[in-house]
Amino acid sequence: ETGVTQTPRHLVMGMTNKKSLKCEQHLGHNAMYWYKQSAKKPLELMFVYNFKEQTENNSVPSRFSPECPNSSHLFLHLHTLQPEDSALYLCASSQVQGWTDTQYFGPGTRLTVL
Amino acid sequence: QKEVEQNSGPLSVPEGAIASLNCTYSDRGSQSFFWYRQYSGKSPELIMSIYSNGDKEDGRFTAQLNKASQYVSLLIRDSQPSDSATYLCAVRGDTGTASKLTFGTGTRLQVTL
Repeated sequence: ETGVTQTPRHLVMGMTNKKSLKCEQHLGHNAMYWYKQSAKKPLELMFVYNFKEQTENNSVPSRFSPECPNSSHLFLHLHTLQPEDSALYLCASSQVQGWTDTQYFGPGTRLTVL
Repeated sequence: QKEVEQNSGPLSVPEGAIASLNCTYSDRGSQSFFWYRQYSGKSPELIMSIYSNGDKEDGRFTAQLNKASQYVSLLIRDSQPSDSATYLCAVRGDTGTASKLTFGTGTRLQVTL
């Protein structure tokens, strides 16, 4: 256990569904991240939140919508996804301190879009 | 486009041998370097971080950094079957308010009996 939890662990959804992924960190960190991991591809950074403010959006399609209500919780709202969005979605957190902060990952949500 | 390159493997080593995993990166301004281990179906787990040129040892693991050559490596001594996993190299280039890591595709390590 890294202190970062994610729910649900597995999710199957149709292209017309709306669902949300939840991440919670119990480490007292001030930054949280969403990553996408597809087969044979490196982890792709999707969103970064620092002190609840979104500081990065790596050209992610608008069908992915992040929400960070406080420094411990992070959501990824999903709607009208495509089959190619099927992947492992990972949440991470870190305590920002210059350039030495380390990211710790949650267990991930395995998403399948039918 | 910042890139991190790793040989995808699989790298096969016998039990008890030294496994050597390599990573090169394109952004010369990179400051922080991380090795994560990822078992199949699991999330990445931090193994080592290194920030300065030279070697950093932690138990059976040694990270080596050469910023001039833009090269970082991970040595695993006395390899065990439980070390069989994919090892991800991650590089942080910016010094902004939150770290943005660029990951390699990972090297799959197989430790054989």
